[in-house]
Amino acid sequence: KQEVTQIPAALSVPEGENLVLNCSFTDSAIYNLQWFRQDPGKGLTSLLLIQSSQREQTSGRLNASLDKSSGRSTLYIAASQPGDSATYLCAVRGDSWGKLQFGAGTQVVVTP
Amino acid sequence: EAGVAQSPRYKIIEKRQSVAFWCNPISGHATLYWYQQILGQGPKLLIQFQNNGVVDDSQLPKDRFSAERLKGVDSTLKIQPAKLEDSAVYLCASSPRVDNSPLHFGNGTRLTVT
Repeated sequence: KQEVTQIPAALSVPEGENLVLNCSFTDSAIYNLQWFRQDPGKGLTSLLLIQSSQREQTSGRLNASLDKSSGRSTLYIAASQPGDSATYLCAVRGDSWGKLQFGAGTQVVVTP
Repeated sequence: EAGVAQSPRYKIIEKRQSVAFWCNPISGHATLYWYQQILGQGPKLLIQFQNNGVVDDSQLPKDRFSAERLKGVDSTLKIQPAKLEDSAVYLCASSPRVDNSPLHFGNGTRLTVT
């Protein structure tokens, strides 16, 4: 059974610092991995989707890497801003029809 | 494009009562999902529809939860009777296809069972 872990559960950084968020999964046979952002009282917003054949994916200040063999993905957010404060979740899909298995998320606070 | 619409936003009921949630996905999205998110946890899939057929309902407590997707568009999730442990946010999501498409989530319905 796939298990997805995100450590730490929460972190606080000063504005301008780079953010590094970790996601680990127990079964390396994944179809894809997605990173989401969740603001308080809101649904999830998809940030990046990495196919199993890819090593990384980039969008603006966001970069996500994937290392299937070690069961890890990392989300980098460059030059953090207070508006980046949110909970970030990763989720893995086991096959093309498989359900997404979510981690519990990392709550990020960027202080001005 | 219009996002995924959910209603109501909040609902408070007593245990053993029934409740229903409604979801309207993004137009043209064939795949629809209902997730349950308990405070401090990641979302857990309850049921996945492909058009109006069920793809996965393995984690749906079928003795009390039911869901349908009429004509492959709108969907309703019902709980009857509710238990205290059903207190959670119920999220609806949709995607154009089931494979590599990113999911688009609604804002969810926060259910409190007292």
